Amino acid sequence: EAQVTQNPRYLITVTGKKLTVTCSQNMNHEYMSWYRQDPGLGLRQIYYSMNVEVTDKGDVPEGYKVSRKEKRNFPLILESPSPNQTSLYFCASSYRTGVSTDTQYFGPGTRLTVL
Amino acid sequence: AQSVAQPEDQVNVAEGNPLTVKCTYSVSGNPYLFWYVQYPNRGLQFLLKYITGDNLVKGSYGFEAEFNKSQTSFHLKKPSALVSDSALYFCAVRDGEGTYKYIFGTGTRLKVLA
Repeated sequence: EAQVTQNPRYLITVTGKKLTVTCSQNMNHEYMSWYRQDPGLGLRQIYYSMNVEVTDKGDVPEGYKVSRKEKRNFPLILESPSPNQTSLYFCASSYRTGVSTDTQYFGPGTRLTVL
Repeated sequence: AQSVAQPEDQVNVAEGNPLTVKCTYSVSGNPYLFWYVQYPNRGLQFLLKYITGDNLVKGSYGFEAEFNKSQTSFHLKKPSALVSDSALYFCAVRDGEGTYKYIFGTGTRLKVLA
């Protein structure tokens, strides 16, 4: 089954404790992206990647890091989480070329609480 | 920078009635516009997109959207609403050609009443 998976689905942590949220897709998509969803603010893009070893900032990259060492994986790293990073996080992927370009497939979400 | 606006936080419609969820955009250059739906406790699902071509775009689950360049709008429509259409709907725009940065609206909650 074609899908985007995220782990963990739920995470409660404390301020300053480094964490990684994993994202993996099995559709051979070149493009991957991370978003955060907050009430009243909709979705905001954190980082995106056009291909392996190519990443770029979205609208809200501060406090986050990403890496794209393999095509299928795009982990989101919070090196020193703070309470304002409490949010619902989504990973997404899509093709970069062809008719399916821009059709993003989203993961199920990771609900992060930073105390 | 590109932007989208969803002027209504919530839309209520009776089952069987037509529904419209509004979206306006501001872009320089050709717009790449999208609609996504989010059911409770789920990720977003792609509904439809406008890149070029016909102004009326047909998508999944019987939804369609009309691209109106003069009014800079991309409203989502469905002729007959179902209770199962109740969800959160997001309009989005790509932030220009040559980039894969996306701007999403704040979302509109659609409630279809039986």
